[in-house]
Amino acid sequence: DAGVTQSPTHLIKTRGQQVTLRCSPKSGHDTVSWYQQALGQGPQFIFQYYEEEERQRGNFPDRFSGHQFPNYSSELNVNALLLGDSALYLCASSQENQPQHFGDGTRLSIL
Amino acid sequence: EDQVTQSPEALRLQEGESSSLNCSYTVSGLRGLFWYRQDPGKGPEFLFTLYSAGEEKEKERLKATLTKKESFLHITAPKPEDSATYLCAVQVYNFNKFYFGSGTKLNVKP
Repeated sequence: DAGVTQSPTHLIKTRGQQVTLRCSPKSGHDTVSWYQQALGQGPQFIFQYYEEEERQRGNFPDRFSGHQFPNYSSELNVNALLLGDSALYLCASSQENQPQHFGDGTRLSIL
Repeated sequence: EDQVTQSPEALRLQEGESSSLNCSYTVSGLRGLFWYRQDPGKGPEFLFTLYSAGEEKEKERLKATLTKKESFLHITAPKPEDSATYLCAVQVYNFNKFYFGSGTKLNVKP
């Protein structure tokens, strides 16, 4: 049974560019959440998607947007990249009221 | 403001030396508290969920407990393979946000 898968594993971008990260949830999971994890810090909640709608959002600017598809997979888009956006981006999936299971993340580096 | 604080930031133990990690939280209404283990270059791996004060969960050398203000992760007779960063997270009632602490980096030396 495949767990949460994310792609790509690593990505290098320059300031001002745009990036799209992808996530396939664990089989049977319908809820996807995205997190940003800076080095040495805990994950910071970006937003959560359920039934193709953004259900909850953390304290991130509108440059961060997302989408969930009918098959429950999800994308995270970040526009106008800043140096401070360099981080590990984690996707987590779950069923309602169940613990979240995480992928291994996408390491995004901004030059 | 909802907040999660973990201590210590780092902990070095000798193999077999038991200890505890702390997670204190200030939230408007706790729906659940979660413990995760994170290895370098990997995503967090789920360990436990605790829902109410007094609840305890165990898995191998790990035992998690919960009070109204904090949770402890007790590690009994740790082995080098227990070395990792341990994260706790809280979920707040009526919201689907999860707040994570900064983690405790555990290093168990043989």
